[in-house]
Amino acid sequence: QKEVEQNSGPLSVPEGAIASLNCTYSDRGSQSFFWYRQYSGKSPELIMSIYSNGDKEDGRFTAQLNKASQYVSLLIRDSQPSDSATYLCAVDSNSGYALNFGKGTSLLVTP
Amino acid sequence: DTGVSQDPRHKITKRGQNVTFRCDPISEHNRLYWYRQTLGQGPEFLTYFQNEAQLEKSRLLSDRFSAERPKGSFSTLEIQRTEQGDSAMYLCASEGAFDTDTQYFGPGTRLTVL
Repeated sequence: QKEVEQNSGPLSVPEGAIASLNCTYSDRGSQSFFWYRQYSGKSPELIMSIYSNGDKEDGRFTAQLNKASQYVSLLIRDSQPSDSATYLCAVDSNSGYALNFGKGTSLLVTP
Repeated sequence: DTGVSQDPRHKITKRGQNVTFRCDPISEHNRLYWYRQTLGQGPEFLTYFQNEAQLEKSRLLSDRFSAERPKGSFSTLEIQRTEQGDSAMYLCASEGAFDTDTQYFGPGTRLTVL
């Protein structure tokens, strides 16, 4: 069983809409959760980290964590074409060092 | 630009050749990671250094792969007798002692094995 699951998409939203990206993980002991953005041909760029249940907001981005349901989400408000990218969910591993990544969700924001 | 640099950015080699990649982490970051990413997949962990000590290796890291961080600063990843299945983006990430859990990725080295 894959440890971090994401819908590969593509998820298409119109400009100005809210994009909702979801991620589930299998290890109940996970403590740290991250969202990375990756443009085609580029390396992952950290957007948000979240460690506690609930919501964490940073500008147009909101990360949501529900440890009981083993679920992490990322909301992008007022989506822009420049947000079009692959969004990677990452969860700390059993060792506490490495990150386990999902396959990523491709987001397309259409003008 | 995160401050993590990797060299070379692209490498094309023939099957059976050896290749070596270099990663320079953010200054004073004591933790360094290597990941591999293939098309359509998320990065997969290969190995982890804390200072000069290699503390964890993935089972993905076959005996053809070796990594070093001799002085706790830059790191090298060597692949011996490359195979076509080694074609991937090799990513380096660094993490500071006081900014734990936040890994900053370099631009990556794209390896193509012909």
